[in-house]
Amino acid sequence: AQTVTQSQPEMSVQEAETVTLSCTYDTSESDYYLFWYKQPPSRQMILVIRQEAYKQQNATENRFSVNFQKAAKSFSLKISDSQLGDAAMYFCASIFAPGAGSYQLTFGKGTKLSVIP
Amino acid sequence: GAGVSQSPSNKVTEKGKDVELRCDPISGHTALYWYRQSLGQGLEFLIYFQGNSAPDKSGLPSDRFSAERTGGSVSTLTIQRTQQEDSAVYLCASSLSPSAAGELFFGEGSRLTVL
Repeated sequence: AQTVTQSQPEMSVQEAETVTLSCTYDTSESDYYLFWYKQPPSRQMILVIRQEAYKQQNATENRFSVNFQKAAKSFSLKISDSQLGDAAMYFCASIFAPGAGSYQLTFGKGTKLSVIP
Repeated sequence: GAGVSQSPSNKVTEKGKDVELRCDPISGHTALYWYRQSLGQGLEFLIYFQGNSAPDKSGLPSDRFSAERTGGSVSTLTIQRTQQEDSAVYLCASSLSPSAAGELFFGEGSRLTVL
């Protein structure tokens, strides 16, 4: 079975500090994409960052970056200079075998991030 | 519209009643997904539409659930004879599939409460 696991149900960070959210996954596929989605209280999920498994370089989007450890099947999200607007649920997700036409995202159960002023 | 639109935003119904949830995807997006988000859980895939192809209904939890997509645009998720365990947020998403695998644009969801 292909799974995505987030072991931290809740995290908190001081405003302007850095926080890292953890995610691990399990698959026998060599072709997969990994994602972090953010869900604020408005409920609308927003894509934060995407990483292709074949790329060695870690993806970065402004204050958001990932630490992709392929051998360890780990995909953590680092948020630098945390802002109040970063407070949300964060979901790690993956598509396994997209090259074979797979389209279903498999989601972790999420990490609720609080930002303390 | 500019984004994925879902209605109603909130729906309270009595056990045994039927409900319809509507999703209007981003114009030009050929792929449409329905996911269910239960309290404390991640997102559970329900159904996928891609263009004029037959939908993937493999995630529908029971035959009380059905969905259709008319004209390759608007989709309706129907739950018949609702049960309390159907209470959840139902999220719709669309994407420029297949080239943008996993890059979904979500609506704000429909929160269903079954009393």
